[in-house]
Amino acid sequence: DAMVIQNPRYQVTQFGKPVTLSCSQTLNHNVMYWYQQKSSQAPKLLFHYYDKDFNNEADTPDNFQSRRPNTSFCFLDIRSPGLGDAAMYLCATSRDFLPRETQYFGPGTRLLVL
Amino acid sequence: GQNIDQPTEMTATEGAIVQINCTYQTSGFNGLFWYQQHAGEAPTFLSYNVLDGLEEKGRFSSFLSRSKGYSYLLLKELQMKDSASYLCAVRGLYNQGGKLIFGQGTELSVKP
Repeated sequence: DAMVIQNPRYQVTQFGKPVTLSCSQTLNHNVMYWYQQKSSQAPKLLFHYYDKDFNNEADTPDNFQSRRPNTSFCFLDIRSPGLGDAAMYLCATSRDFLPRETQYFGPGTRLLVL
Repeated sequence: GQNIDQPTEMTATEGAIVQINCTYQTSGFNGLFWYQQHAGEAPTFLSYNVLDGLEEKGRFSSFLSRSKGYSYLLLKELQMKDSASYLCAVRGLYNQGGKLIFGQGTELSVKP
């Protein structure tokens, strides 16, 4: 009964080679978030979708893009990964933006850039 | 600016009580969450406070003082499985996408 699923759990890519990470949810939540978490650091929000409305954080590099083709799926595309993009990428969902709404996290995809 | 501070590491003994503090300064506040994160895994929800006071949930309790920009997570009857990172996160306003701003986490080690 997994609720937020991320594939793959581990991804190895080469410097500059585009890579796509995927996230799916069975909760039918309106909001999907992508976070980047580097070792021993706080998760950092990259962007979020409310339904089809996309919101990019001001400091998210242009190298990072996202797609949400339907309610259940959301993708993170890294167009030209650099060594500094190696991190854990966490997908999260919430029903709404209301204060008490919990964000539910997927298990994450650990990205290694060679 | 946005700033959330937690101690980097703490150590405690099995069966004991530990308090993990969090102070915050954020441009908007719509509640404070505590998450537990085991190494290599996703954060899991522990508690939410939006009003001042103590919220108790089993072995875990969380306290909030909005005027002081301060929260703590209290863990009682510590177990070895409580060894994890504990993340404090402030929820932004609705027009900020309700986003969570995380502290860097407190790595708790529980020893026998």
